[in-house]
Amino acid sequence: GQSLEQPSEVTAVEGAIVQINCTYQTSGFYGLSWYQQHDGGAPTFLSYNGLDGLEETGRFSSFLSRSDSYGYLLLQELQMKDSASYFCAAVSGSARQLTFGSGTQLTVLP
Amino acid sequence: ETGVTQSPTHLIKTRGQQVTLRCSSQSGHNTVSWYQQALGQGPQFIFQYYREEENGRGNFPPRFSGLQFPNYSSELNVNALELDDSALYLCASSPPGANVLTFGAGSRLTVL
Repeated sequence: GQSLEQPSEVTAVEGAIVQINCTYQTSGFYGLSWYQQHDGGAPTFLSYNGLDGLEETGRFSSFLSRSDSYGYLLLQELQMKDSASYFCAAVSGSARQLTFGSGTQLTVLP
Repeated sequence: ETGVTQSPTHLIKTRGQQVTLRCSSQSGHNTVSWYQQALGQGPQFIFQYYREEENGRGNFPPRFSGLQFPNYSSELNVNALELDDSALYLCASSPPGANVLTFGAGSRLTVL
């Protein structure tokens, strides 16, 4: 089967750095994506790692290690608006479908 | 450019009824996927449509069916509704072979 594990909750203060880890067990794996979802909103794409290593997009970075079936999302210079749920999602299968983790609720405190 | 739009935004049905949810894909996107998101959980893949044909399916029973139209818009149909079908149904579109999905805001279905 397919499964992804990530922490359920993380709390940090404005301006801090936070790392959300994700481990996965997925067959037909292509890569790891990260999505952000605010309460009641649509998931929005943050990053995709198809190869091992670090991808950087502004304040957000994502890392993948295929040999360890592990990835993480790094959020720097946290802002209040970053409070949301963050999902790792494995891309797999002929349809390149996403298998999502259960999400990490990030709370940013002033 | 317009994003992904879904309708209706909220609806309430009773057990055993049927429901149809609609999705307009983002301009230029010809692949549409549907996901079910239960409260407090991550979205689960239902199926994907490309060129008006089902292109992949998750672990959902046959009473979940869909259509894609020539303009790339799509419908999700659920027959014989069960209480556990209460969820947020998300539609996402993408260009073919892309690893980035653009999601709509979803249709919130409540089954009583």
